[in-house]
Amino acid sequence: SQWGEENLQALSIQEGEDVTMNCSYKTYTTVVHWYRQDSGRGPALIILIRSNEREKRSGRLRATLDTSSQSSSLSITAAQCEDTAVYFCAPTNAYKVIFGKGTHLHVLP
Amino acid sequence: EAGVTQSPRYAVLQEGQAVSFWCDPISGHDTLYWYQQPRDQGPQLLVYFRDEAVIDNSQLPSDRFSAVRPKGTNSTLKIQSAKQGDTATYLCASSLGPGNTLYFGEGSRLIVV
Repeated sequence: SQWGEENLQALSIQEGEDVTMNCSYKTYTTVVHWYRQDSGRGPALIILIRSNEREKRSGRLRATLDTSSQSSSLSITAAQCEDTAVYFCAPTNAYKVIFGKGTHLHVLP
Repeated sequence: EAGVTQSPRYAVLQEGQAVSFWCDPISGHDTLYWYQQPRDQGPQLLVYFRDEAVIDNSQLPSDRFSAVRPKGTNSTLKIQSAKQGDTATYLCASSLGPGNTLYFGEGSRLIVV
């Protein structure tokens, strides 16, 4: 894929731990979207970070973007069981939103 | 405000049969996308429209797949002569302009046997 790729495809952690998911991409992008998909549902945006931002926070979520290395990360602080889902990085160049394979995060009680 | 609505939610076909999926985007959203999501993979863009115009259909298998959005609102994705490899969830999403936040429907799950 020329677009978003997660370095890890499956993660299992204990409740209360912090977790970081990484994403690299290979072409020009103006914004990186991070989506979450629960089983049987469509993806939903949880945070986005624009090319002029290096870090963005929303509650327990933190996204970073390094345009020089064409990489982004999503961190979740103090993960909870309800954070169990698939997380997608979706870089865009303002014309397309292309998804990577996703990171299956499983938070164990 | 109503979200993106898709139907049917499920379809089971034999190879060679046809199926149509329908999508009603969020009111006022000019951009509409169709994605195919095989099991355990990320959504893969098939086609997207801005108003009634096709902007990109380069990933749409044109021999068996077609998509229309005649009035720039609802859209239909049709698969002719389905194959087992078409087994996937078909997701519709809409946005205010290309490249902005996508709002997805629940998806239409297709199984071809």
